[in-house]
Amino acid sequence: AQSVTQLDSHVSVSEGTPVLLRCNYSSSYSPSLFWYVQHPNKGLQLLLKYTSAATLVKGINGFEAEFKKSETSFHLTKPSAHMSDAAEYFCVVSATGGGNKLTFGTGTQLKVEL
Amino acid sequence: GAVVSQHPSWVICKSGTSVKIECRSLDFQATTMFWYRQFPKQSLMLMATSNEGSKATYEQGVEKDKFLINHASLTLSTLTVTSAHPEDSSFYICSVTTGQAAQPQHFGDGTRLSIL
Repeated sequence: AQSVTQLDSHVSVSEGTPVLLRCNYSSSYSPSLFWYVQHPNKGLQLLLKYTSAATLVKGINGFEAEFKKSETSFHLTKPSAHMSDAAEYFCVVSATGGGNKLTFGTGTQLKVEL
Repeated sequence: GAVVSQHPSWVICKSGTSVKIECRSLDFQATTMFWYRQFPKQSLMLMATSNEGSKATYEQGVEKDKFLINHASLTLSTLTVTSAHPEDSSFYICSVTTGQAAQPQHFGDGTRLSIL
């Protein structure tokens, strides 16, 4: 069994300040972890993925995430928020041996203010 | 560029009609495609797994006779909502994958379905 918990349903930051979106997971297998972003009325775009290689993963648009097994966390960060980052973010886990099925977190709405 | 093409992006139809949504993999042969449903302000809910050349696997609680899935080729899967009713109104999203372990899924842009 696997699950994902996104600790914040809404996060609001000022443009130019750091972004932190928190995610904790549980998995019976060695997990693969992903962050996806969804803009209104759009599908999901892959930001980055962790698949048992380097624990610090760099993604697109300046985002990165660190896999911490001891804390079962995979938090998403960005040093400086941009207005275009405002969107819904999903933390997702896929378990090896789980048939490639994804388990989604409930999402975090990121708001970026001037 | 886009990896997945989903069509139509938006459809409005009368109650009782059937609606077909197409999902095409543009960059690679997708042995597995997934269909999701998303309600407003909520996460994605997996409806079914579509495997090329075989019957789709439906998640618990999803009516297979209501949501017909056909995966006739390695680049195309279709979802048909049969005899649609207002409660079927939702955002439907497909995704494609090579099926290899740990590979990410690539998502279509979704279809907004509104049943009057």
